[in-house]
Amino acid sequence: GIQVEQSPPDLILQEGANSTLRCNFSDSVNNLQWFHQNPWGQLINLFYIPSGTKQNGRLSATTVATERYSLLYISSSQTTDSGVYFCAVRWTSGSRLTFGEGTQLTVNP
Amino acid sequence: NAGVTQTPKFQVLKTGQSMTLQCAQDMNHNSMYWYRQDPGMGLRLIYYSASEGTTDKGEVPNGYNVSRLNKREFSLRLESAAPSQTSVYFCASNVISNQPQHFGDGTRLSIL
Repeated sequence: GIQVEQSPPDLILQEGANSTLRCNFSDSVNNLQWFHQNPWGQLINLFYIPSGTKQNGRLSATTVATERYSLLYISSSQTTDSGVYFCAVRWTSGSRLTFGEGTQLTVNP
Repeated sequence: NAGVTQTPKFQVLKTGQSMTLQCAQDMNHNSMYWYRQDPGMGLRLIYYSASEGTTDKGEVPNGYNVSRLNKREFSLRLESAAPSQTSVYFCASNVISNQPQHFGDGTRLSIL
């Protein structure tokens, strides 16, 4: 079936380390968003990136739509980066966002 | 500019009680959405409204009803709450359906 798969499911880092989170999707999309869900449960928009590359401070994202994957890069991680990172896509043939199951990131001091 | 506002933030219900979750956005967005998030999972769409006056079922609509009251407001109603509806409910909106969605802070609902 149509799927959104995120990897790794869990990631533990020391403060200052870099990381890459991956999102694979099984069909063509016209919307892809990365979210950070903080420990208080709030969903924070990180990127709207159906294709191409964007950067925002220590975070950047790349989506290669033709190969059906997106990457989220976190550089010089901080403890405040901890939380769950979700990738969500809107299929070209559909009308709703489909979420992956997330990557649980823990950054230790 | 508050974005997407959900009320209440927390609620505890008994099985069989009814409840309406409220959502309002001040960004003049056309489309609005209701999701639920269960522990350890991503969000799943319950209902959405592509534009004022229209509503459609999402992935998990059973046990819920919605009303698009006007362009700003989209409410979610549980007519007879069940323990399986214990979840965190998120409302979202966007200008049109393929543009980025903006989320409220969620409503934590427990049904005993």
